[in-house]
Amino acid sequence: EIVLTQSPGTLSLSPGERATLSCRASQSVSSSYLAWYQQKPGQAPRLLIYGASSRATGIPDRFSGSGSGTDFTLTISRLEPEDFAVYYCQQYGSSPPNTFGQGTKLEIK
Amino acid sequence: EVQLVQSGAEVKKPGESLKISCKGSGYSFTSYWIGWVRQMPGKGLEWMGIIYPGDSDTRYSPSFQGQVTISADKSISTAYLQWSSLKASDTAMYYCARQRGSRYYFDYWGQGTLVTVSS
Repeated sequence: EIVLTQSPGTLSLSPGERATLSCRASQSVSSSYLAWYQQKPGQAPRLLIYGASSRATGIPDRFSGSGSGTDFTLTISRLEPEDFAVYYCQQYGSSPPNTFGQGTKLEIK
Repeated sequence: EVQLVQSGAEVKKPGESLKISCKGSGYSFTSYWIGWVRQMPGKGLEWMGIIYPGDSDTRYSPSFQGQVTISADKSISTAYLQWSSLKASDTAMYYCARQRGSRYYFDYWGQGTLVTVSS
């Protein structure tokens, strides 16, 4: 089972700043089968990025994903107030389980 | 419009059984996998398992194998998650979500079903 470790656990930034979130896998994620989700309080998660770098439908271009192998990054270029939430990475390249990282909370500084 | 609509919140006692549901609409229900994800209070997302309603092929996380049963009734476009004997530690929000293949991301999510198990 692939274990995903996200860092930092909490990231405190101000609107307008750039956010960089990390997701590291315990072994290589095949074919960059890595997704990122955003979850706001009281809501279901929402798909942001799939295939490590492809934005899902309707996701603003300030969100971008990069990486391959064992190291992946979600970048939010200029934070908007609605971006403060918890972010999860998920790998889906190996046999189930398609594990999630433990999450990074992005909070307003 | 793709929608996954889950059944309502449940309050149960330890040892009771429970079956919660997830109804898909707006797409071909038998052509996509449905997965279940647990979120315990204040915690992260845990992948439980998936089912392909077309032929009921089911895959479980080792952590949940034997603890829950995932099923589907394609005639009514509904997937299920069930417990035969609930424990207090099953208290959580449970989400269903859709994925195109067994090695795929979740593109649409249900609204979640809160299960509370308390004596």
